[in-house]
Amino acid sequence: DTEVTQTPKHLVMGMTNKKSLKCEQHMGHRAMYWYKQKAKKPPELMFVYSYEKLSINESVPSRFSPECPNSSLLNLHLHALQPEDSALYLCASSQDASGGETQYFGPGTRLLVL
Amino acid sequence: SQKIEQNSEALNIQEGKTATLTCNYTNYSPAYLQWYRQDPGRGPVFLLLIRENEKEKRKERLKVTFDTTLKQSLFHITASQPADSATYLCALDGPGGYNKLIFGAGTRLAVHP
Repeated sequence: DTEVTQTPKHLVMGMTNKKSLKCEQHMGHRAMYWYKQKAKKPPELMFVYSYEKLSINESVPSRFSPECPNSSLLNLHLHALQPEDSALYLCASSQDASGGETQYFGPGTRLLVL
Repeated sequence: SQKIEQNSEALNIQEGKTATLTCNYTNYSPAYLQWYRQDPGRGPVFLLLIRENEKEKRKERLKVTFDTTLKQSLFHITASQPADSATYLCALDGPGGYNKLIFGAGTRLAVHP
């Protein structure tokens, strides 16, 4: 099973809402990633978790809060977002965070902030 | 900072022909380079990885070259099919480790019957 699942597929939220994005993989991977992708732009890395510890935070605003409850799950908690945060949020995983590891991406959550 | 450039315009080719996509980079010497395919509204799908000490890699109809002197990678799809139509992204390992990837903007390929 080489699948990364993400829920929900679509999310509409107001600027005062709190919501969470979920990502799950059952490949035994020990590295997981969050990316943000705007329309017609490449994915941009937000966070990297390695062995359930936050290893990279690409200066992401604190209104995005990642969480890795266990090696299979990755959450992204959203609070007080801005309309410019509307984007496709992609989760990925890899065997570990060594260089050159293939990243397996989920289908993404399409987020719209009103 | 490192910069990755891919043909920003769409590439239109006839079915059966070879598609060649280009990825150029500056201000960096990556240890490896990867190519991904992305369909609209979907996550990227890994295709091939090539390391700095490799000149060429093949997988079925796909071929990647890596020229560290020219700072360029070429991605070829031979005997192209309409199902190959998608956006193709190249990605380099970013600084700081942890398998960080930096993606190019992608090239949209359209294969016409």
